[in-house]
Amino acid sequence: AQSVSQHNHHVILSEAASLELGCNYSYGGTVNLFWYVQYPGQHLQLLLKYFSGDPLVKGIKGFEAEFIKSKFSFNLRKPSVQWSDTAEYFCAVTVGSGNTGKLIFGQGTTLQVKP
Amino acid sequence: KAGVTQTPRYLIKTRGQQVTLSCSPISGHRSVSWYQQTPGQGLQFLFEYFSETQRNKGNFPGRFSGRQFSNSRSEMNVSTLELGDSALYLCASGSVGSTEAFFGQGTRLTVV
Repeated sequence: AQSVSQHNHHVILSEAASLELGCNYSYGGTVNLFWYVQYPGQHLQLLLKYFSGDPLVKGIKGFEAEFIKSKFSFNLRKPSVQWSDTAEYFCAVTVGSGNTGKLIFGQGTTLQVKP
Repeated sequence: KAGVTQTPRYLIKTRGQQVTLSCSPISGHRSVSWYQQTPGQGLQFLFEYFSETQRNKGNFPGRFSGRQFSNSRSEMNVSTLELGDSALYLCASGSVGSTEAFFGQGTRLTVV
């Protein structure tokens, strides 16, 4: 069965620090990769996604992620975090032809940014 | 355009009871998926409906069931509630060929 692993469960950073959140998945075939964010009290929102093409994907709010197929990884990065980035971040995967109806999520990473 | 709407937002039920949660997808979306979010297990896929048919199912016991109506609205039912069913239940909708699932605010279920 497919699975997603997020290495960091709780990350604390100061404003302006750089961020990298790790995500690895286990599936040998075609995958579609996502990062979702859940701000306190709000619904899950899509940050960015990768389906095909350029493995370096840019999303909203200055986030980007790089798909490295050989490492089964899709790490999320941001060069300089802000206090407003405090949230929970989820990596997710779907397999096959791009149906987003069955997302397999990682455990999530709670990011706390100190002002 | 209205987002995904889930009702009710909060529920408190007693062990052994059953509960029905509702999800109205974004207009025009035909796929509705349900997820359970708990602190211990994270976000887990329950099932997906597309055009009134269950298309995918996660690893949950038969007490968890769902259905989708012709207007794409979906309901999820949990029978014989257990304490461990306390969770945030999220619904997501998507359109045909979409590369994004849109989530609702969720229904917070507490079983006492």
